[in-house]
Amino acid sequence: AQTVTQSQPEMSVQEAETVTLSCTYDTSENNYYLFWYKQPPSRQMILVIRQEAYKQQNATENRFSVNFQKAAKSFSLKISDSQLGDTAMYFCAFMKRRGRDDKIIFGKGTRLHILP
Amino acid sequence: DSGVTQTPKHLITATGQRVTLRCSPRSGDLSVYWYQQSLDQGLQFLIQYYNGEERAKGNILERFSAQQFPDLHSELNLSSLELGDSALYFCASSAGLAGPETQYFGPGTRLLVL
Repeated sequence: AQTVTQSQPEMSVQEAETVTLSCTYDTSENNYYLFWYKQPPSRQMILVIRQEAYKQQNATENRFSVNFQKAAKSFSLKISDSQLGDTAMYFCAFMKRRGRDDKIIFGKGTRLHILP
Repeated sequence: DSGVTQTPKHLITATGQRVTLRCSPRSGDLSVYWYQQSLDQGLQFLIQYYNGEERAKGNILERFSAQQFPDLHSELNLSSLELGDSALYFCASSAGLAGPETQYFGPGTRLLVL
């Protein structure tokens, strides 16, 4: 069974700083996706970034980038130039690729506070 | 806006009652997923439908059931409700077997069982 672990329950950083959220996962699969979802106070689940395991290049989306280390089963999220609107719960998530069982498995989340 | 709609946004009911949560997927998406977010269990997968058929099941209680209709909207039925069923229920959709696999989440239905 797959598991996703986020070791930082809560973090705080000053606005404009860079912050890195950690995530490790465990799987015997070779083809899969990894995601970071953001859940602001509105509770909406918003996709931040997606990484396909077969791609060596780390995904980036504007101020958000990942450090994907497949062998180490590590998938961290870096937020550059953090903004107050980045305050949210961040979930690391795993999904098998093109399988019958393509549910998303979520970590417990990291609550991120951006301080003015 | 993800394009996935869920109704109602909030639901308050009593123990022992039955409720129905509704989800409309993004236009063109064939797969619908239901997730439960509770304080103690985090975000957990309940069930998936693809083009009207059940495709995968998670830790869904026997008191819970779901279906996907020909127009692809889905309903999650929760019966004999208990206090512990209070949670945020999300629906997500994706293109399905042949399309992009990213799941897009609806705004959720917040259920409070008193």
